[in-house]
Amino acid sequence: GNSVTQMEGPVTLSEEAFLTINCTYTATGYPSLFWYVQYPGEGLQLLLKATKADDKGSNKGFEATYRKETTSFHLEKGSVQVSDSAVYFCALRRNSGNTPLVFGKGTRLSVIA
Amino acid sequence: NAGVTQTPKFQVLKTGQSMTLQCAQDMNHNSMYWYRQDPGMGLRLIYYSASEGTTDKGEVPNGYNVSRLNKREFSLRLESAAPSQTSVYFCASSEMQGLGHNEQFFGPGTRLTVL
Repeated sequence: GNSVTQMEGPVTLSEEAFLTINCTYTATGYPSLFWYVQYPGEGLQLLLKATKADDKGSNKGFEATYRKETTSFHLEKGSVQVSDSAVYFCALRRNSGNTPLVFGKGTRLSVIA
Repeated sequence: NAGVTQTPKFQVLKTGQSMTLQCAQDMNHNSMYWYRQDPGMGLRLIYYSASEGTTDKGEVPNGYNVSRLNKREFSLRLESAAPSQTSVYFCASSEMQGLGHNEQFFGPGTRLTVL
């Protein structure tokens, strides 16, 4: 079946540090891949997405590249801010049929000044 | 647009009580979903409705029922609440069938505690 594995947290970084959150997936066919972010006390919101191999999604300084050969979609940011503190979820969705998102377990990021 | 709204925001139940969580979206989306979020478990799908008039079980449907009342509204019912159902519940919606790249939009969540 389809599944997503992401690195366990929590991750604690100093402001302006480089961030990588690893995400790998297992899926039949070629899914669309997503990163969602959940700020404290809120629902999830889409951060970025990629719909086919070699696509790069980007938003708010975050980037992730769809790597079919390694079945990965790692999230990166060159310089994190305190306001980036949140829980980050990697997710996939099949491109055929109307199927729901499958989520990883989430990675909590804390950025300290 | 309000997006996806959920009521109530917080609820405390005793074991065996019943309740219904309400969800509505104003984006004219075809598909709606209910997830629960537990520490260390990520989001797990309870039920979803691909279109008005249809519902399907997700990963963890036991102990829950759903109703797709109309295109806008999708409710989740706990008939006899158990402590294991203590969780944060999120409703979501998405546009169009058959297009995997369409994002899901989430509500703010309902925090439920069962004593």
